[in-house]
Parts: sequence; C-alpha cells; structure tokens
Amino acid sequence: GAVVSQHPSWVICKSGTSVKIECRSLDFQATTMFWYRQFPKQSLMLMATSNEGSKATYEQGVEKDKFLINHASLTLSTLTVTSAHPEDSSFYICSARDSGRVEEQYFGPGTRLTVT
Amino acid sequence: EDKVVQSPLSLVVHEGDTVTLNCSYEVTNFRSLLWYKQEKKAPTFLFMLTSSGIEKKSGRLSSILDKKELFSILNITATQTGDSAVYLCAVETGTASKLTFGTGTRLQVTL
Repeated sequence: GAVVSQHPSWVICKSGTSVKIECRSLDFQATTMFWYRQFPKQSLMLMATSNEGSKATYEQGVEKDKFLINHASLTLSTLTVTSAHPEDSSFYICSARDSGRVEEQYFGPGTRLTVT
Repeated sequence: EDKVVQSPLSLVVHEGDTVTLNCSYEVTNFRSLLWYKQEKKAPTFLFMLTSSGIEKKSGRLSSILDKKELFSILNITATQTGDSAVYLCAVETGTASKLTFGTGTRLQVTL
C-alpha cells in the first residue's frame, strides 16, 4: 500500500528556535499534501493544504508566517515551525493524496514536537 | 463552519460485545465520509463512504452512511482487545478534498 513517511518522528527544541518537519510520499506522487495538528486527547485539526508548486492554503486561525509550508516536489512537503513556543508543542501529522488514486488520503506516522 | 460530531466520546465494553459508533455532520460541499482507527500514532484508514444506504464491510467492521439524515455509523461485532483505539470520523469536502475530523470515540475492550 501507499506509504507516507515523516521526519523526524520526535523533536525537542528550545523556545525561539525553528524546526523543520518533512513529509514524503514514498511510492506515489502527491500533488496535494495536508498538515494536521493534534493536541493530547483531541482530534486532528487541519492546519493547511499544501499544493505542489504553489502556495499553501491555510485554515482560519493558523499563522502562515509562523508555520511555513513548502511543497517543492511531488513527493515532499515540509512544515517549518518558526520561533517555536511551548504552546506549539503538539503532534504534527501529514497526509498525502495519491495523484493517480483519489479515494483516500494516506497519513504519515506523525512528528511529536516538544518546545522547552 | 463545517462540523463533525461523534458519539459516544468514550466506551468500555467486554470482549465479544458488539458496538456502534455514531458520526453526524453539518458541512458544505460534501464529498465523502471516512472512518479511521487511531492507536498510538497516525490514523489508519478503515472505510470511505460516498453513497447512502450501501454498507461497507471489512471483517468484523461495517459502516453505512445516511446522506439524508447526515450521519454514519461504524459497527464492530465480536470485539477483541485489539480493537481498543480511538475511532475517528472525518468528512471530506470541497474541491480541495479537505478533511474535517470529529473528536473521536475512545473504545476500550476489556477481557
């Protein structure tokens, strides 16, 4: 089946620093990738839709200057959390839609970010 | 604003029981409804439903959608401890295929 990877799986950073999270579709091409955030015991909240070769579309309330998204190729999207603060600590999950099969989105394993 | 509501929020059952999880929604530009199982990491796909009244089945799990009443149910028969997880319902909308998730139902199956 389709595989989506994320790197790193877990990161701890100091307040004020930036962290980059990668999302890769390993065996398919994805023109669209999605970034979600999940706080403990809460559901997934869509942050932004990432389209290859164009600007990301951010959901209401998500700061685009803080959460920079780059979808430079059909298999890679990156999310950079800039000037991270403790309240940004969360589980970040990406998903990718197979360009050739639009039935479902495939989720990555997630990245746990802890900002100290 | 699109809304997806799941009930119950949590459920504890004994192994062998049958459970029914509910998902209701109010969205614009509905495309499909999806069910996911989430254990410790990212959600794993269970079902995608687009048409009313057509049951989808996979082993002991089944699901059906009612587009008139705007809800779906997920049934799990003969539950096992391995079924313990959070079950998420999501509705796909619009041309961008955005997913709006419900809060999830936390299912615990005990021996």
